[in-house]
Amino acid sequence: KAGVTQTPRYLIKTRGQQVTLSCSPISGHRSVSWYQQTPGQGLQFLFEYFSETQRNKGNFPGRFSGRQFSNSRSEMNVSTLELGDSALYLCASKDQGELFFGEGSRLTVL
Amino acid sequence: GQQLNQSPQSMFIQEGEDVSMNCTSSSIFNTWLWYKQDPGEGPVLLIALYKAGELTSNGRLTAQFGITRKDSFLNISASIPSDVGIYFCAGDAGGTSYGKLTFGQGTILTVHP
Repeated sequence: KAGVTQTPRYLIKTRGQQVTLSCSPISGHRSVSWYQQTPGQGLQFLFEYFSETQRNKGNFPGRFSGRQFSNSRSEMNVSTLELGDSALYLCASKDQGELFFGEGSRLTVL
Repeated sequence: GQQLNQSPQSMFIQEGEDVSMNCTSSSIFNTWLWYKQDPGEGPVLLIALYKAGELTSNGRLTAQFGITRKDSFLNISASIPSDVGIYFCAGDAGGTSYGKLTFGQGTILTVHP
């Protein structure tokens, strides 16, 4: 089985722009979660989707949003980018009790 | 913010030595997981623990789910250079946590040949 696939791997944006990141879960996995990883805050939960519904959300501002499609693929969007949004954004898909992560999308905001 | 206290923050060891790291929490978790992350990559699942008191091995790795459900430890025996990386513990509260893991701060492991 292919693992969790995230695109793009690297991107650079400027303050005020918006960005969309994509995630394809492991085949058969219907739950997709998103995490933000920074040196200062570590790994922080953003949100989780299952069958196109957001079931859980972390403590992030409304600029962070996501969605899931009928094929379980997911996207997350960050609008009005700030310097502090620079981070590694990780997507994970879930099977039973185990979360499997993708390689992440490295976002740099200038 | 994070609720898991992971220690030590970093370790410098010689190849062949055993390594031990642990995580404690103020909350109860239904599942404990241990991940390893290499630079520029996503975390890779090493071991998952589902029952209090459970002891699980994966090759040279052994992890335990604490009886109180508030702690877990990971041991690596006979370390090798490819063990270098950052190790994270993570807890899943279950129920309506829906994909939300709480992570420790990570243990940076350096192995000297």
